[in-house]
Amino acid sequence: DAKTTQPNSMESNEEEPVHLPCNHSTISGTDYIHWYRQLPSQGPEYVIHGLTSNVNNRMASLAIAEDRKSSTLILHRATLRDAAVYYCILRVRISGSNYQLIWGAGTKLIIKP
Amino acid sequence: GAVVSQHPSWVICKSGTSVKIECRSLDFQATTMFWYRQFPKQSLMLMATSNEGSKATYEQGVEKDKFLINHASLTLSTLTVTSAHPEDSSFYICSARRHGAGIIQETQYFGPGTRLLVL
Repeated sequence: DAKTTQPNSMESNEEEPVHLPCNHSTISGTDYIHWYRQLPSQGPEYVIHGLTSNVNNRMASLAIAEDRKSSTLILHRATLRDAAVYYCILRVRISGSNYQLIWGAGTKLIIKP
Repeated sequence: GAVVSQHPSWVICKSGTSVKIECRSLDFQATTMFWYRQFPKQSLMLMATSNEGSKATYEQGVEKDKFLINHASLTLSTLTVTSAHPEDSSFYICSARRHGAGIIQETQYFGPGTRLLVL
């Protein structure tokens, strides 16, 4: 079964970069890597996703290892509002055009002012 | 764009009653909606996948007769927790996949969640 492994928690100082690691050694060739984050008592918020190449958007960057068995979410300059649980997820094909998100346990990111 | 709402945001009910939770995609049509459950300090657990106009597909261990899902239109799915008991107390979250989304656009948009407390 596809699954992801993340550290339970990480701390970082405000306005410094944050690198959130994720291992997904059982990933298959068609599985996309997604990252979502969740603030307390809220629904998850999409952050970024990718397949093989590194990806950048306004929120973050995603660095994917060449063998795709690991990836790193990069927040270039963390603010207090970035404090959340970050989930590394594999999007796996179930059948045809049907997909599911397989959720990891998440990393609780703590930002220190 | 891509806003998903849920109603109610929280509900408290007595044991044995049924509770209906609505999930709406406000500015897009959703071919597929997903229902998740999340217990405190845990990750999301997929309960079922709902495609518009067809029966929902439930994950292993989720009772379909207890958690009734109806996806009557491209913008609305409902989850009814029938005969709720205290162990059903949880944070229920829906998500929606945009109609016509290709592989590149495969992003799920999540609602804000509904907190259910069964006394």
